[in-house]
Amino acid sequence: ELKVEQNPLFLSMQEGKNYTIYCNYSTTSDRLYWYRQDPGKSLESLFVLLSNGAVKQEGRLMASLDTKARLSTLHITAAVHDLSATYFCAVGSGGATNKLIFGTGTLLAVQP
Amino acid sequence: NAGVTQTPKFRILKIGQSMTLQCTQDMNHNYMYWYRQDPGMGLKLIYYSVGAGITDKGEVPNGYNVSRSTTEDFPLRLELAAPSQTSVYFCASSYSPGRQGYNSPLHFGNGTRLTVT
Repeated sequence: ELKVEQNPLFLSMQEGKNYTIYCNYSTTSDRLYWYRQDPGKSLESLFVLLSNGAVKQEGRLMASLDTKARLSTLHITAAVHDLSATYFCAVGSGGATNKLIFGTGTLLAVQP
Repeated sequence: NAGVTQTPKFRILKIGQSMTLQCTQDMNHNYMYWYRQDPGMGLKLIYYSVGAGITDKGEVPNGYNVSRSTTEDFPLRLELAAPSQTSVYFCASSYSPGRQGYNSPLHFGNGTRLTVT
């Protein structure tokens, strides 16, 4: 059974600082997604990572995937308040069905 | 395009009542999903469908039923509501991985916030 763990669960950062969110998963998968959720809102897709060594970047966020270690990271560079949200990783389970198993999320609070 | 539309946005049920959460998408996605999100938690998959007439159970299917008579619609039925079903319910859709390669993220609706008292 696929299990997905994120850490930390809560992250309070100062603006301008760098930090990394980690996502570990328990069994082999062929894809991993990162989503953002603002309070009371829906989920927005940020990145899709499909192969070992894949790296995607958008603005101050960079995601990477190590399939051998079953680990993905979401790196935040020079955080700004607008990045405050909950970030979820989700791992593909079940091949062609595109089912996703979600981590518990990381609540990111960027303080001025 | 409206994307994934869920109705209602909010609902309060009494224990033992039943209701249907509606979900429709206009992106011609053949895959659709229902997730629930409990406070401070990630999303758990309830049911999913890979096409009209085809549905299957996810991680937490007990107490729910689904049907998929058209590509666009994927309603979720709660029978005999219980307090444990208090949650936010998200419907999502996607292309099949084969259609756009595996680069096929799920597109989510805005959710239905359900309280069972």
